[in-house]
Amino acid sequence: GAGVSQSPSNKVTEKGKDVELRCDPISGHTALYWYRQRLGQGLEFLIYFQGNSAPDKSGLPSDRFSAERTGESVSTLTIQRTQQEDSAVYLCASSLSETDTMDGYTFGSGTRLTVV
Amino acid sequence: ILNVEQSPQSLHVQEGDSTNFTCSFPSSNFYALHWYRWETAKSPEALFVMTLNGDEKKKGRISATLNTKEGYSYLYIKGSQPEDSATYLCAFHRAARTRDDKIIFGKGTRLHILP
Repeated sequence: GAGVSQSPSNKVTEKGKDVELRCDPISGHTALYWYRQRLGQGLEFLIYFQGNSAPDKSGLPSDRFSAERTGESVSTLTIQRTQQEDSAVYLCASSLSETDTMDGYTFGSGTRLTVV
Repeated sequence: ILNVEQSPQSLHVQEGDSTNFTCSFPSSNFYALHWYRWETAKSPEALFVMTLNGDEKKKGRISATLNTKEGYSYLYIKGSQPEDSATYLCAFHRAARTRDDKIIFGKGTRLHILP
């Protein structure tokens, strides 16, 4: 597609429920990144994919978080048993490759997750 | 722990005035420094990607400089306009093609232009 698409744009969920966030990167971009920004904090790295594999999962905050990518395209970030501290804007970005970022990342518009 | 610091956190500037803010990053294993503008309810948008010490880039009224030896970059906005109101993020890209290859973002400088 023309840009990075994320869905849903807003999600309100009850504490303890599972949520799934979706990212559709730019076609042909092999690298895909997930970040989140909690209120008053900076952008926090979660995970990145090169193709369908995730060389670096070091940013995932707990084992309730998982992500997958298929077909070198769509990625889903799943949060199980959501907690209030999971409330944040979850941003997805893509680039041509992990080492070709000379045009910077292209970000989606994010999913605002609110856990009540 | 890699730290990317941006200052100030927040800035109010009168329309028409010029302003600048800072990004500090580790001076070792430098690969690239990115600047993004993030307007409310929109996606962060890449402004500059800088790789060389002494680099200076310009886009309209916005420019940026880079000092990799001392680990800082400045972003300048000349003649601020209301549409410049946004959060400006810098991101440090460390050591590409290594296990430490990672882009770390600062917390941003929130710029408010006062009419």
